[in-house]
Amino acid sequence: DGGITQSPKYLFRKEGQNVTLSCEQNLNHDAMYWYRQDPGQGLRLIYYSQIVNDFQKGDIAEGYSVSREKKESFPLTVTSAQKNPTAFYLCASSLGRILSYNSPLHFGNGTRLTVT
Amino acid sequence: GESVGLHLPTLSVQEGDNSIINCAYSNSASDYFIWYKQESGKGPQFIIDIRSNMDKRQGQRVTVLLNKTVKHLSLQIAATQPGDSAVYFCAERSTDTGNQFYFGTGTSLTVIP
Repeated sequence: DGGITQSPKYLFRKEGQNVTLSCEQNLNHDAMYWYRQDPGQGLRLIYYSQIVNDFQKGDIAEGYSVSREKKESFPLTVTSAQKNPTAFYLCASSLGRILSYNSPLHFGNGTRLTVT
Repeated sequence: GESVGLHLPTLSVQEGDNSIINCAYSNSASDYFIWYKQESGKGPQFIIDIRSNMDKRQGQRVTVLLNKTVKHLSLQIAATQPGDSAVYFCAERSTDTGNQFYFGTGTSLTVIP
């Protein structure tokens, strides 16, 4: 089955530790995205990548870092600099602008990160 | 109805009735819209999309209506079933914000058997 896999589903960390969330897709999509979801708020864009070895900051990139070394993978690191890291993190992918301008985002099932 | 930045509204409907979920957007440069369904603990699931050059699009049991004059989007679900219970939210893509998607806060739909 083609899709987006996020792991782990639940993650617990102590304050001050960096943590990396995994996102893998086998849809052959060029573009990948990381969103953060908090209760009562819409999804907010952290980082996105339109192509391998390139990525851009979204609206709330502070305290996060990403890499895009492979087309299939877009890991997100939540650093100790992120002030409120506890949230539900969603990874998404799309065909990308080059292949299809009106291409919807396809989401994984998320990772719930709790930092205490 | 739903709008970016507001608290999560709720909608309760009887099984078999039709549901209408609304979404207001503010950016006149938005040219592509998507409706998503999100069940508890899961990622959003694509339902239907519509481009700004269209007023209406139909899928299986769902219809999306777009009114660009008043910047309003709606999702109609026919013959609502218990499995339709979820949070529904709209996403808009705007050409003046780097073609990124922006999401509403969502509407929680509860279907009463």
